Amino acid sequence: DQQVKQNSPSLSVQEGRISILNCDYTNSMFDYFLWYKKYPAEGPTFLISISSIKDKNEDGRFTVFLNKSAKHLSLHIVPSQPGDSAVYFCAASLNTNAGKSTFGDGTTLTVKP
Amino acid sequence: ETGVTQSPTHLIKTRGQQVTLRCSSQSGHNTVSWYQQALGQGPQFIFQYYREEENGRGNFPPRFSGLQFPNYSSELNVNALELDDSALYLCASSLAKGGPYNEQFFGPGTRLTVL
Repeated sequence: DQQVKQNSPSLSVQEGRISILNCDYTNSMFDYFLWYKKYPAEGPTFLISISSIKDKNEDGRFTVFLNKSAKHLSLHIVPSQPGDSAVYFCAASLNTNAGKSTFGDGTTLTVKP
Repeated sequence: ETGVTQSPTHLIKTRGQQVTLRCSSQSGHNTVSWYQQALGQGPQFIFQYYREEENGRGNFPPRFSGLQFPNYSSELNVNALELDDSALYLCASSLAKGGPYNEQFFGPGTRLTVL
């Protein structure tokens, strides 16, 4: 039973537009959520996180929204740039221990010039 | 400050053999986690070490074991290799095991192929 799901394997957007990546989870005990970006031949790179006590966290072009009642989070990238093209993983953890995260299977984002 | 490094980059083993993968954490990082990433899937948590002691384990059998050393290096050992062990193995280090300084820094991974 997959506790963290990213239902869209891929997403394609035009440069300058908004990219919205979605993630659903089933374990209501998760209290810390993260997004990672991964380029080929590299390890995942931390992008942004959100604690379960918040519903929004912003960092430059990246905003993460958390809807606890729906067990859903999303990552918004505005404006999207070609360099954002990568695989994006959402992850969830207990007791804010990001080192024991449960990951989704990723969404491949392609931003077209 | 150097990043997280892993060795080797690629490795080919046969079923039943044993393998040791190595990770060098960022200086000062006392927490290291290991993940297995099968093709087309997200990383799956194997175990975490904090100050040289195991601090939690995912759903992996005992033939997956680890060590963490005082010099910020660590190892993942897998005995009796099976074909399904073929995957990318990632290590990630962090300053702490929880709280606001828990950001993980991942290495590039070791690609293990079991024939």
